[in-house]
Amino acid sequence: GESVGLHLPTLSVQEGDNSIINCAYSNSASDYFIWYKQESGKGPQFIIDIRSNMDKRQGQRVTVLLNKTVKHLSLQIAATQPGDSAVYFCAETPYGQNFVFGPGTRLSVLP
Amino acid sequence: EAGVAQSPRYKIIEKRQSVAFWCNPISGHATLYWYQQILGQGPKLLIQFQNNGVVDDSQLPKDRFSAERLKGVDSTLKIQPAKLEDSAVYLCASSAAGTNTEAFFGQGTRLTVV
Repeated sequence: GESVGLHLPTLSVQEGDNSIINCAYSNSASDYFIWYKQESGKGPQFIIDIRSNMDKRQGQRVTVLLNKTVKHLSLQIAATQPGDSAVYFCAETPYGQNFVFGPGTRLSVLP
Repeated sequence: EAGVAQSPRYKIIEKRQSVAFWCNPISGHATLYWYQQILGQGPKLLIQFQNNGVVDDSQLPKDRFSAERLKGVDSTLKIQPAKLEDSAVYLCASSAAGTNTEAFFGQGTRLTVV
């Protein structure tokens, strides 16, 4: 399939290690955030979300951290697997407005 | 549960030609979005429908792009005439409850304008 994000920032991690993907968002009024995963040739897939009244939320092998003071969002993936290789986007939205996607980070999992 | 369906998967056209993309959202989802994703960038919203009404089309280049969702289910996005810079992946997404809720994406249509 076609590639997504040929010139994106890339994070390379060893299989089994933990990954941390960072995102700086722009709108201090944003109150809902989503991390999406996009594999080559596919549409974005929901991973995890968080609302602004929280600073941490955990899912299966993933954790999202929100720091509203510095407008920073991070996605932590535990025990990274080859299937985690993809482009990851953060998306932000102020209430009632549509999502604005960040530029994306390519995660490359090394064997 | 069936996902968001889009067709065609790929389309190559010459500049100044017209093209149309089709989307069938998840059953029961009232909100439908069309996004444009240029290679190396995140998706950018073109238009949002709530049932068959337009909620947000502020970023839709209305001189050449049009979209409709006549019966509040399927939607089509049209480009006429196409320009080279329209080369991108066009993604359709749907959600059950509009903004501030999770949107589910289709696989997209890859458009190449030559």
